[in-house]
Amino acid sequence: EPEVTQTPSHQVTQMGQEVILRCVPISNHLYFYWYRQILGQKVEFLVSFYNNEISEKSEIFDDQFSVERPDGSNFTLKIRSTKLEDSAMYFCASKAPTLYNEQFFGPGTRLTVL
Amino acid sequence: GQQLNQSPQSMFIQEGEDVSMNCTSSSIFNTWLWYKQDPGEGPVLLIALYKAGELTSNGRLTAQFGITRKDSFLNISASIPSDVGIYFCAGQYSNYQLIWGAGTKLIIKP
Repeated sequence: EPEVTQTPSHQVTQMGQEVILRCVPISNHLYFYWYRQILGQKVEFLVSFYNNEISEKSEIFDDQFSVERPDGSNFTLKIRSTKLEDSAMYFCASKAPTLYNEQFFGPGTRLTVL
Repeated sequence: GQQLNQSPQSMFIQEGEDVSMNCTSSSIFNTWLWYKQDPGEGPVLLIALYKAGELTSNGRLTAQFGITRKDSFLNISASIPSDVGIYFCAGQYSNYQLIWGAGTKLIIKP
């Protein structure tokens, strides 16, 4: 069964460094999303991406964040200058181009900012 | 912004018992989704609901989309050890973001 994959599974970085989190969505999906989950808390929406542009973003997704679909298969989240409070699990999700709103999630990348 | 209230926060149950959890919102949603998350993993979709009043089953799981479109419940019948985990409701009113509940942690008493 097709699934969303994410790399790396765990990223440790120093405060102020740039990180790029990578996702390969399900191949025929056209809607892509990033969410984050701080340890023990609820999942929070960051951004959605459709037709090569951001379709919606939350207040969390400030100028330090960017997303890109550099080729036909990858979808990336870049954090330009990481802060301690960026430490969280980051989940990528994708959705098929249908009327159904089922988003399928990857296993996540655990980001630890020291 | 929109908020979902999910309850209970946690449940301690005996194996074989039925489980019920729910989510309510002050806003209307077009879609309700229920996910399960195991430690260190991503949420896994259990059930998706698209119409007010819709009742959908997936094995031992049953979920309903409230008539007012502001609430949903999830029932698990005859719980087994592998049901342990955190269950999240999520509501959606567009193609885009999901609004998430805080989760219900299910713990099965030995």
